[in-house]
Amino acid sequence: AQSVTQPDIHITVSEGASLELRCNYSYGATPYLFWYVQSPGQGLQLLLKYFSGDTLVQGIKGFEAEFKRSQSSFNLRKPSVHWSDAAEYFCAQTGTASKLTFGTGTRLQVTL
Amino acid sequence: KAGVTQTPRYLIKTRGQQVTLSCSPISGHRSVSWYQQTPGQGLQFLFEYFSETQRNKGNFPGRFSGRQFSNSRSEMNVSTLELGDSALYLCASSGEQVQETQYFGPGTRLLVL
Repeated sequence: AQSVTQPDIHITVSEGASLELRCNYSYGATPYLFWYVQSPGQGLQLLLKYFSGDTLVQGIKGFEAEFKRSQSSFNLRKPSVHWSDAAEYFCAQTGTASKLTFGTGTRLQVTL
Repeated sequence: KAGVTQTPRYLIKTRGQQVTLSCSPISGHRSVSWYQQTPGQGLQFLFEYFSETQRNKGNFPGRFSGRQFSNSRSEMNVSTLELGDSALYLCASSGEQVQETQYFGPGTRLLVL
């Protein structure tokens, strides 16, 4: 069965510091991978996606993610975090079906 | 282009009642998926509709059902509500291909008392 693991439940970073959120996927073939962000009480906003091709993908709000097949990882990065980035971040994958399988999420807190 | 809209945004029901939630997809999108989000179980897939047909189904009891109309709008229904059905219900729309990006609405928060 497909699964997505986000090892960090909660991360705190200072504003201006760099950020890396970890994500590991479990799927035999190359999955379709996504990062979504959710602010309290809101729906999910797509940050970026990987389908194929260049393993470093750029997204909105200055985020990027790198697909590493050898490590089954798709980590999200941002060079300089802003206070408005505080939210919950979800990594997700699909395989041959349209169903999204989500990780448990990482809550990001930004200190000023 | 307008995003995915969901109505109502908030709902309070009592155990045993039934509820219907509505989702209007992005214009041109023909696929609508539904997800349940709870603190304990996280985000779980309920079902997906494409061209008025259920194309995929998650592991939820038969009390959870859905349908899609010819204009791609979708409704989900939960009958005989239980306290554990309290959750944020998210709808997502996407294009025709199976692995296309899903765009989410703001959700309907259901509280069952």
